[in-house]
Amino acid sequence: DAKTTQPTSMDCAEGRAANLPCNHSTISGNEYVYWYRQIHSQGPQYIIHGLKNNETNEMASLIITEDRKSSTLILPHATLRDTAVYYCIVRRPSSGSARQLTFGSGTQLTVLP
Amino acid sequence: DAGVIQSPRHEVTEMGQEVTLRCKPISGHNSLFWYRQTMMRGLELLIYFNNNVPIDDSGMPEDRFSAKMPNASFSTLKIQPSEPRDSAVYFCASSLVTSGGGTQYFGPGTRLLVL
Repeated sequence: DAKTTQPTSMDCAEGRAANLPCNHSTISGNEYVYWYRQIHSQGPQYIIHGLKNNETNEMASLIITEDRKSSTLILPHATLRDTAVYYCIVRRPSSGSARQLTFGSGTQLTVLP
Repeated sequence: DAGVIQSPRHEVTEMGQEVTLRCKPISGHNSLFWYRQTMMRGLELLIYFNNNVPIDDSGMPEDRFSAKMPNASFSTLKIQPSEPRDSAVYFCASSLVTSGGGTQYFGPGTRLLVL
């Protein structure tokens, strides 16, 4: 699985959009980009994933560049409860068998009142 | 759905004692993962099962750790004997793996403290 690079920490004002970047310059054509977050003292929570196209769900939007070497997770209206460590993970498809997630250091997002 | 269920949520034990952590995956999921999280090492995979069969246990620290999945709805992670360095948060995750992949859903974790 390709390596990812994320900023160590970011701040965002409550109610504003939080844009979390991730670099994955060595990503292969069939590797997915996954985003998870971990709120303090809780288990990691799945947010969104994508392959090539931009994706949106009730939690966030995922913007993947055309060359797929980087992506941005967007929380459109950040709240204090969005304060967490956000992990960007690149992973090959499972090919019918389970595959692990390799978590890096992530980005500590702090939403400020 | 109740999500992944783990028990106990907290465990305090003394060095040398046996510790058993339990996990109930999401119904219908066919893969189960055990992770450990510490400040020093972050989140690391210990072992995972596919259709109740252990696939990769290369992350299991040593022979003191063992994991079983007797059926699709239950798994255990056992540490015997426990040591202070085993103190960590242990997470269980499950997923429904298809040819295209599978999103993992995590439980709330078990916080283990070995004195």
